[in-house]
Amino acid sequence: AQKVTQAQTEISVVEKEDVTLDCVYETRDTTYYLFWYKQPPSGELVFLIRRNSFDEQNEISGRYSWNFQKSTSSFNFTITASQVVDSAVYFCALSGNTNAGKSTFGDGTTLTVKP
Amino acid sequence: ETGVTQTPRHLVMGMTNKKSLKCEQHLGHNAMYWYKQSAKKPLELMFVYNFKEQTENNSVPSRFSPECPNSSHLFLHLHTLQPEDSALYLCASSQGPGQGRTGELFFGEGSRLTVL
Repeated sequence: AQKVTQAQTEISVVEKEDVTLDCVYETRDTTYYLFWYKQPPSGELVFLIRRNSFDEQNEISGRYSWNFQKSTSSFNFTITASQVVDSAVYFCALSGNTNAGKSTFGDGTTLTVKP
Repeated sequence: ETGVTQTPRHLVMGMTNKKSLKCEQHLGHNAMYWYKQSAKKPLELMFVYNFKEQTENNSVPSRFSPECPNSSHLFLHLHTLQPEDSALYLCASSQGPGQGRTGELFFGEGSRLTVL
């Protein structure tokens, strides 16, 4: 069975602070994919990034960066110099090669960035 | 056009009504999904379609009836719903079998359903 845990239910920061959203996963698949999605107040979940289990290279995209560590089964997401527009619910998700079309989602972390 | 479009965005219905939610994707994907998102609950996968064929029904009550006439369109027919069915219903699409699927989902903005 697959499981995704986002221990942080809510995080509140002040604009320009850095913030890290934690994600821990469990899977028995040898090949799997990890994702982060952003859900702004409008409701639509927006795909941010995919990481393959065989590629532990960290990634940076502008103010966003992701730290994938298989040894600790974690896929953490850091926003540098946060902005008010970053306020949203962020979901971590996992799919395996045996069911790539079926993702298991974490419960989400609500991030509030105050001006 | 946006990748995945859902209509209506908001729907209020009584328990005896029959209504339908519509989803259309313009991404050339072969897989489509219905998810339910209730307050304070995680995303719940309801149905999965691959190449118009239903491949997953996640123990969803029969008062929810999906329909997938082609790979680009997905419907969710609603009848005799309960107040606890009030939620945000999200449609998503992804690459399907044979498309090198890696699992990322592309969501619509959702249909906010309120059952009175």
